[in-house]
Amino acid sequence: GENVEQHPSTLSVQEGDSAVIKCTYSDSASNYFPWYKQELGKRPQLIIDIRSNVGEKKDQRIAVTLNKTAKHFSLHITETQPEDSAVYFCAARLRGSTSGTYKYIFGTGTRLKVLA
Amino acid sequence: EADIYQTPRYLVIGTGKKITLECSQTMGHDKMYWYQQDPGMELHLIHYSYGVNSTEKGDLSSESTVSRIRTEHFPLTLESARPSHTSQYLCASTRLRGGEQFFGPGTRLTVL
Repeated sequence: GENVEQHPSTLSVQEGDSAVIKCTYSDSASNYFPWYKQELGKRPQLIIDIRSNVGEKKDQRIAVTLNKTAKHFSLHITETQPEDSAVYFCAARLRGSTSGTYKYIFGTGTRLKVLA
Repeated sequence: EADIYQTPRYLVIGTGKKITLECSQTMGHDKMYWYQQDPGMELHLIHYSYGVNSTEKGDLSSESTVSRIRTEHFPLTLESARPSHTSQYLCASTRLRGGEQFFGPGTRLTVL
């Protein structure tokens, strides 16, 4: 079935170090892969996304890489700061049951803790 | 300001009650979604809609219904609440061609 696997479930890093979170999706028709950050008690917010026609995208300290052959994409955070501590979710967009519709399958989340 | 609004923010009810969670967006988006999320855990798709009078079921749809009579409004109804429904419910929307999902603040539901 359709699913997105995300690893690790928890990640602790020292401030200034890099953090990498990995996701694998099952549906080869997926063509859009967003990453969301959710702070405690708040709503998820998009931090970066990538489309299937691109292999890598970077925005300041955040980057995402996509390997379509392996159906694998990763989030990279460099120079981590305490405010990066949150739960991060990957997602894959799939076609819905009706033509022209889309749904999103989310990973299980990674709880990132940046130690000062 | 364009945003997604959910009411109520918190709700405590007894088992067997029928409840409707409200979601409205002023972003002009066509697609809307409902997710169930336990704190810090993954989001499970309940229902989604790609326009007025058009809805689709997600993975957790069997115990709830939705309607989409107006573009900006997408309410979720639990016909008979159970303790297993205790969770946070998030509403989201995207533009017609998909892309970034914008989430509402959520409704935290407790069923006693």
